[in-house]
Amino acid sequence: DTAVSQTPKYLVTQMGNDKSIKCEQNLGHDTMYWYKQDSKKFLKIMFSYNNKELIINETVPNRFSPKSPDKAHLNLHINSLELGDSAVYFCASSQDALQETQYFGPGTRLLVL
Amino acid sequence: AQSVTQLDSQVPVFEEAPVELRCNYSSSVSVYLFWYVQYPNQGLQLLLKYLSGSTLVKGINGFEAEFNKSQTSFHLRKPSVHISDTAEYFCAVNPHPQGGSEKLVFGKGTKLTVNP
Repeated sequence: DTAVSQTPKYLVTQMGNDKSIKCEQNLGHDTMYWYKQDSKKFLKIMFSYNNKELIINETVPNRFSPKSPDKAHLNLHINSLELGDSAVYFCASSQDALQETQYFGPGTRLLVL
Repeated sequence: AQSVTQLDSQVPVFEEAPVELRCNYSSSVSVYLFWYVQYPNQGLQLLLKYLSGSTLVKGINGFEAEFNKSQTSFHLRKPSVHISDTAEYFCAVNPHPQGGSEKLVFGKGTKLTVNP
């Protein structure tokens, strides 16, 4: 009964490929997020969705496109992968309030060769 | 805009010693403050948070933090660490609803290594 799950856990791919990462939460939360953690462990928000609507869209290349089919799912599709996209991508969820705790998934380790 | 500074990128300590991980923030509005912990190869989990009220906040695993508004700090402390506390610790801020960018801003993390 994992709260926030991500698939796949590891992803190794070639430059130029397109890949997707899936995220699901069973906490009944309204808000979901994607974060990118680089090799120096720096964690930065990429996107946030509230009840399937995009509310935060940081300066992220257009090659990254989030999709939320329902409020329990937030997927991340990446086109034309580049070497610099190699990182750990974390999905998180929270209730719809700024003081609420965010619950993180285990991460997807993406390596672009 | 909010920002978070974690002054120490690495903190090595011996088991059963006390530890303090420092966090300072800057913000033009009131903020909520958080400490998250990331164990190796895992996602982040909440240690504790300050929303309002008492400036001393107690969290899980024996950690506590003190909010100091005048010094804009939210340092994390534990009186006696265990080997199992070895992890990356992240301080984060989120603005009150009245203002700010409405997103959680993380510091760059402090790697705590507890040695036997």
